Amino acid sequence: KAGVTQTPRYLIKTRGQQVTLSCSPISGHRSVSWYQQTPGQGLQFLFEYFSETQRNKGNFPGRFSGRQFSNSRSEMNVSTLELGDSALYLCASSLQGTVGEKLFFGSGTQLSVL
Amino acid sequence: QKEVEQNSGPLSVPEGAIASLNCTYSDRGSQSFFWYRQYSGKSPELIMFIYSNGDKEDGRFTAQLNKASQYVSLLIRDSQPSDSATYLCAVNMITGGGNKLTFGTGTQLKVEL
Repeated sequence: KAGVTQTPRYLIKTRGQQVTLSCSPISGHRSVSWYQQTPGQGLQFLFEYFSETQRNKGNFPGRFSGRQFSNSRSEMNVSTLELGDSALYLCASSLQGTVGEKLFFGSGTQLSVL
Repeated sequence: QKEVEQNSGPLSVPEGAIASLNCTYSDRGSQSFFWYRQYSGKSPELIMFIYSNGDKEDGRFTAQLNKASQYVSLLIRDSQPSDSATYLCAVNMITGGGNKLTFGTGTQLKVEL
């Protein structure tokens, strides 16, 4: 069974640009969550999608948005990039996204903002 | 107070020893607890999960949970150099809702030959 697939693996952007990251969950998994990982803050929750609906959102500005498609694939968009957005963006999937379910992470997208 | 706290380390143990990693959490209503291992430059990999008070063993790994003390730990027996990584404690807090995990900042483990 294929794992969680994230593309691209690396991205370099400049301030003010926008970026879209993609995530394909494990087959059969319907919940997709996004996390930001930085050396100083660790892993922080961005949002979670289930059946094309955002069910939960972390404390990030509105520049961070996402969506989920009918095949459970998800995209995350960051507009008007800032230097502080440089981070590893991780996608995780689980079957139903219920409390206590195990999350499986993709390899991540390393975003560098110059 | 951070929601999930871990000692950042590094924790150094000799090969073959027991490594003990600790984590405390703030939300007394939390129900699910996870340990992830993350090698440098890689994504987190789930290695243990525990939902009930007590111990849960899986191979060389034992997770321990004490909800009264709001404390969860991970023991690694017969530590190997390949266990050298950052270990992340994650908690599914009731206040978060759904399957949102709150992570500690991780403990770096170094297993020395």
